[in-house]
Amino acid sequence: QVQLVQSGAEVKKPGSSVKVSCKASGGTFSSYAISWVRQAPGQGLEWMGGIIAIFGTSNYAQKFQGRVTITADESTSTAYMELSSLRSEDTAVYYCARGAQVATITSHFDYWGQGTLVTVSS
Amino acid sequence: SYVLTQPPSVSVAPGKTARITCGGSNIGSRSVHWYQQKAGQAPVLVIYYDSDRPSGIPERFSGSNSGNTATLTISRVEAGDEADYYCQVWDSSSDPQGVFGTGTKVTVL
Repeated sequence: QVQLVQSGAEVKKPGSSVKVSCKASGGTFSSYAISWVRQAPGQGLEWMGGIIAIFGTSNYAQKFQGRVTITADESTSTAYMELSSLRSEDTAVYYCARGAQVATITSHFDYWGQGTLVTVSS
Repeated sequence: SYVLTQPPSVSVAPGKTARITCGGSNIGSRSVHWYQQKAGQAPVLVIYYDSDRPSGIPERFSGSNSGNTATLTISRVEAGDEADYYCQVWDSSSDPQGVFGTGTKVTVL
């Protein structure tokens, strides 16, 4: 059974950066895309970007281009999402989610992490 | 950018049928996926490729997609179906962009 376990909650100052991790177990990490989806309090889901570790390439939502970096470490089956220049509007729960199909980012999400709350406050 | 529009809320009595729409330009030409999110929990996939159900999802959940509207149908609604539901598609083959609908809160009366 695939499991995605994310790092713990973070509190950050405006203008700083945050890096959230997502460790996969129970499946073949490198061949499946990991996407990051965020949800602001009381709001809907928002796709931020994703990566397929075996290709080493990332795709980003146009809204976050230049501010988000998604990476993956095949040796530890862990994906990372780093968001910079944080502002209060970035306060949200950040989820990682696995694409169900091999070697494509454009797949439905069959497994999700538990979510990581990032709070941006001065 | 591609936009998916859902009704903010749907109310349904137990045992009845709930229909949740997801509107988008020519959405019938795309594959639509649906997620259920209960309060305080991560989303769960309930329908993929318009009408396929993952293992463990009851047959009461079904989907369709044609023209400018995709629909998630929940038959014989139960109290445990109360949740937020999101549709999702992918836009742009050259620079893939994930797109979620605005979300629908299903309330079981």
